[in-house]
Amino acid sequence: NAGVTQTPKFQVLKTGQSMTLQCAQDMNHNSMYWYRQDPGMGLRLIYYSASEGTTDKGEVPNGYNVSRLNKREFSLRLESAAPSQTSVYFCASIETRRRYQVPRATDTQYFGPGTRLTVL
Amino acid sequence: AQSVTQLGSHVSVSEGALVLLRCNYSSSVPPYLFWYVQYPNQGLQLLLKYTSAATLVKGINGFEAEFKKSETSFHLTKPSAHMSDAAEYFCAGTNFGNEKLTFGTGTRLTIIP
Repeated sequence: NAGVTQTPKFQVLKTGQSMTLQCAQDMNHNSMYWYRQDPGMGLRLIYYSASEGTTDKGEVPNGYNVSRLNKREFSLRLESAAPSQTSVYFCASIETRRRYQVPRATDTQYFGPGTRLTVL
Repeated sequence: AQSVTQLGSHVSVSEGALVLLRCNYSSSVPPYLFWYVQYPNQGLQLLLKYTSAATLVKGINGFEAEFKKSETSFHLTKPSAHMSDAAEYFCAGTNFGNEKLTFGTGTRLTIIP
């Protein structure tokens, strides 16, 4: 198992450019998440997808869109990048070990290696 | 709503010394609490979690944490620090019925040879 993979690892954009961050997991997890990590602020949830075909806003969704392409893949799009979006972006998926795969608060999240994005 | 506070953004300990990283939570309902570790240029990895069973939770790499309701704390400890423990540590929490985690701001642990 590769676990949670993210591409690209690094990206530099100019203000106003667009790009899509890709995330995939091969663990058959239903729920997936996008976070951003900024110094002194920990991780903040941007969007999440509880299951294929559904997405919901997190704490800081402005300036982002997401697509849950299928069960494996959850992409994050910046339509018009701004310097305030300079950050490290992490994708995560959640393990559930019950028949109907409904996540619970006690389930473990598995994180990808991150994408370091700089917007000039 | 659940929130977690980590005291000390940077902690330095000598190799072989006790590691103590502090986390306090505030919640009106019983919390579920997690400690994650992030090594340089890597994603987060679960160290341990409290799910309302035993109050003393043992994790990987010799770490453990104790849930103390009276102090609303979930501090992370390790009796003897190793150079490989140098990393950033995040406390996170959530509540029953909520699969979204709230993260603390992180504590960077430095080990002094």
